[in-house]
Amino acid sequence: GESVGLHLPTLSVQEGDNSIINCAYSNSASDYFIWYKQESGKGPQFIIDIRSNMDKRQGQRVTVLLNKTVKHLSLQIAATQPGDSAVYFCAESPYSGNTPLVFGKGTRLSVIA
Amino acid sequence: GAGVSQTPSNKVTEKGKYVELRCDPISGHTALYWYRQSLGQGPEFLIYFQGTGAADDSGLPNDRFFAVRPEGSVSTLKIQRTERGDSAVYLCASSLGPGNYEQYFGPGTRLTVT
Repeated sequence: GESVGLHLPTLSVQEGDNSIINCAYSNSASDYFIWYKQESGKGPQFIIDIRSNMDKRQGQRVTVLLNKTVKHLSLQIAATQPGDSAVYFCAESPYSGNTPLVFGKGTRLSVIA
Repeated sequence: GAGVSQTPSNKVTEKGKYVELRCDPISGHTALYWYRQSLGQGPEFLIYFQGTGAADDSGLPNDRFFAVRPEGSVSTLKIQRTERGDSAVYLCASSLGPGNYEQYFGPGTRLTVT
């Protein structure tokens, strides 16, 4: 069945460095992708999203890249800060419209001060 | 404005008991989702409401799980004859409605079945 997965379960980066979190998806029909940040004891928090008709989208300190050819999604965080430490999930929506999200397992980002 | 709220934040129950978990979505959001998250995993979809009706309940694991949203706002997830395997964090999310993708999550209810 469809799945959304992550290449690396944990990532440690030095404060101030850039972070890159990767995600692979298997459903080529997916048209919407989202990155969520989840801190301990809290619900997932929306970071940035991208539609399948785009290959790059930028937010504040974050960039999402979508490569539909290899079904790969990445989240880049510039100048990583201690407050960025959390678990990051990619999620996909397999169909157009308001539909449930399919989440990957998550990557834990640890920022070393 | 207020975000999605869920009550209780924690629930401990004995195996075989009945539990109800409540979700208050963001005001004006017509779409409401329930997900379940086990330790170290991503959230897994359970059920989706558009208004009062369940548009998709394909994620409910079995007939012990049921959810309602009678007035199109607050939703209750009901679990009968709880089992230890039901222990997880139950997350609720809401979004504006059809065509609007962004889902806002609540803090979750941590359910522990002893």
